[in-house]
Amino acid sequence: DAKTTQPPSMDCAEGRAANLPCNHSTISGNEYVYWYRQIHSQGPQYIIHGLKNNETNEMASLIITEDRKSSTLILPHATLRDTAVYYCIVRVDQAGTALIFGKGTTLSVSS
Amino acid sequence: EAGVTQFPSHSVIEKGQTVTLRCDPISGHDNLYWYRRVMGKEIKFLLHFVKESKQDESGMPNNRFLAERTGGTYSTLKVQPAELEDSGVYFCASSQDLGYNSPLHFGNGTRLTVT
Repeated sequence: DAKTTQPPSMDCAEGRAANLPCNHSTISGNEYVYWYRQIHSQGPQYIIHGLKNNETNEMASLIITEDRKSSTLILPHATLRDTAVYYCIVRVDQAGTALIFGKGTTLSVSS
Repeated sequence: EAGVTQFPSHSVIEKGQTVTLRCDPISGHDNLYWYRRVMGKEIKFLLHFVKESKQDESGMPNNRFLAERTGGTYSTLKVQPAELEDSGVYFCASSQDLGYNSPLHFGNGTRLTVT
């Protein structure tokens, strides 16, 4: 699986949009970009994933650049409960492939 | 729909003892994964079951760890004998087998402390 690079930490004010970047310059054509987060003392939580088109769900939006070498996870209105470690993971499109976690970005949302 | 459940949530044992962790995946999920996070380290993949078969056990640290999934439903991870470095949080995850990748859904983990 391709590796990803994320900033170790970010801050965001409550109510503002949180934009979390991820670089994956060696991504292959059959690899998806997945985002998970881990809130303290809980298991990792699935957020969103995409291949090349932008994606949106009830939790977040995923913007993938046209060359697919980077992406941004957007939490449109961050709340204190969004404070967590966010993981950007690239994963080959093959049934049952495991996720490989990196260090992630620690997002701190403050009031 | 019930999520992935893990038992116990916490376990404290002495070095040399045996501990068995249990994971109940989401009903109908054929893929089951074990991960662990030791203090200060990243979440590491341990192994992957498809139904009752071990698909990938490349992440298992050594032969003190034994994972089983009899009947393709729940899974157990046994550590025998436990060592101090086995302390950490053990996560289980499951996903559907759709012929292509589907998201993994994680349990809240078992926190293992070996003293």
